[in-house]
Amino acid sequence: GAVVSQHPSWVICKSGTSVKIECRSLDFQATTMFWYRQFPKQSLMLMATSNEGSKATYEQGVEKDKFLINHASLTLSTLTVTSAHPEDSSFYICSARRRLAGNTGELFFGEGSRLTVL
Amino acid sequence: ILNVEQSPQSLHVQEGDSTNFTCSFPSSNFYALHWYRWETAKSPEALFVMTLNGDEKKKGRISATLNTKEGYSYLYIKGSQPEDSATYLCAFPRHSNDYKLSFGAGTTVTVRA
Repeated sequence: GAVVSQHPSWVICKSGTSVKIECRSLDFQATTMFWYRQFPKQSLMLMATSNEGSKATYEQGVEKDKFLINHASLTLSTLTVTSAHPEDSSFYICSARRRLAGNTGELFFGEGSRLTVL
Repeated sequence: ILNVEQSPQSLHVQEGDSTNFTCSFPSSNFYALHWYRWETAKSPEALFVMTLNGDEKKKGRISATLNTKEGYSYLYIKGSQPEDSATYLCAFPRHSNDYKLSFGAGTTVTVRA
């Protein structure tokens, strides 16, 4: 099966610093990757869609200057939480879809990253 | 944002017993329904992608049914085993040409030995 690797799994940082989370598709090309955020006992909330070679599209209410997304290659997308504050503490998880998969194509997920901002 | 509701939020099952739980979604403009299994400390894994009303899919002891007219899907686990303990998520594409999924909050299943 397709594998998506996400790093780091855990990160603790001081308020005001920036944190980068990487999402890699290890054995397939992912033209599109998705970034989600999850609060306790809530559903995965889509933050943004990362498209290889173009700008990310952000969901309503998500600050693009706060959550910088870069999709530099067909196998790597990064999410940078800039000037992190305690309210940014959350669980972030990425997923990827194979090239040419329609909306019936399954998503392949990373393991997620737990961010704690002190 | 489409509302995808899952119930119950959690359930405990004795090993060997069977169980089922529900995913409800808007019945208008249906495109597909996804089920994922998410074990603790692992990545969510796709179980099924269902597209046709009346569809029934099976993978081992786990099966799912789909009713697009009334907007629900059931996931069944037959003869639950401890390794079935996980959170089961359903998800729904928001548009026909949109690969973005709206997720339910999940049903967390704990199988007691």
